[in-house]
Amino acid sequence: DAGVTQSPTHLIKTRGQQVTLRCSPKSGHDTVSWYQQALGQGPQFIFQYYEEEERQRGNFPDRFSGHQFPNYSSELNVNALLLGDSALYLCASSSRGLGEKLFFGSGTQLSVL
Amino acid sequence: AQKVTQAQTEISVVEKEDVTLDCVYETRDTTYYLFWYKQPPSGELVFLIRRNSFDEQNEISGRYSWNFQKSTSSFNFTITASQVVDSAVYFCALMGPGTASKLTFGTGTRLQVTL
Repeated sequence: DAGVTQSPTHLIKTRGQQVTLRCSPKSGHDTVSWYQQALGQGPQFIFQYYEEEERQRGNFPDRFSGHQFPNYSSELNVNALLLGDSALYLCASSSRGLGEKLFFGSGTQLSVL
Repeated sequence: AQKVTQAQTEISVVEKEDVTLDCVYETRDTTYYLFWYKQPPSGELVFLIRRNSFDEQNEISGRYSWNFQKSTSSFNFTITASQVVDSAVYFCALMGPGTASKLTFGTGTRLQVTL
């Protein structure tokens, strides 16, 4: 049973560019959420997708957008990259419901130069 | 607003020592969930435990144990007889009642276990 898979593992971009990160949830999970983890910090919630719609959003600008596909996989898009967007981006999947535990992928390390 | 504080930035112990990682949380909700995750160098967050606010029973799982005290808003994690493989960053996190899959994380505690 595959867990949460993310691609790519590493990515280098320059300021102003756009990036797309991908996530496949754990089998049986229908909810995907994205987190940004800056170096030395805890993960910060970006947003959650369920039934192909954004359901919750953290304190992130509109440059951060996403999508969920009918097979529950998801993409995170970041436009107009800033140096401060350099971070580990983690995808988590879960079943829909309160208090459900989240299963995380290994993340995509994004470096913005 | 929700907040999780892990005051210990880094802890170093020698193998076989016991170690306790502290977690203090803030929330106005009466229903909430507390979690601990382990993050090894690979980056993946590994789930360790979930506890809801109505269950204050302490839990033991092998060398791991958790002490949940609502009176002090703390959810501490103890590793007994630590091993080198326990070296990682440990995060405490909080989830509110209407925020499914939205975890508020602490800043983490880096545990280094040496021989």
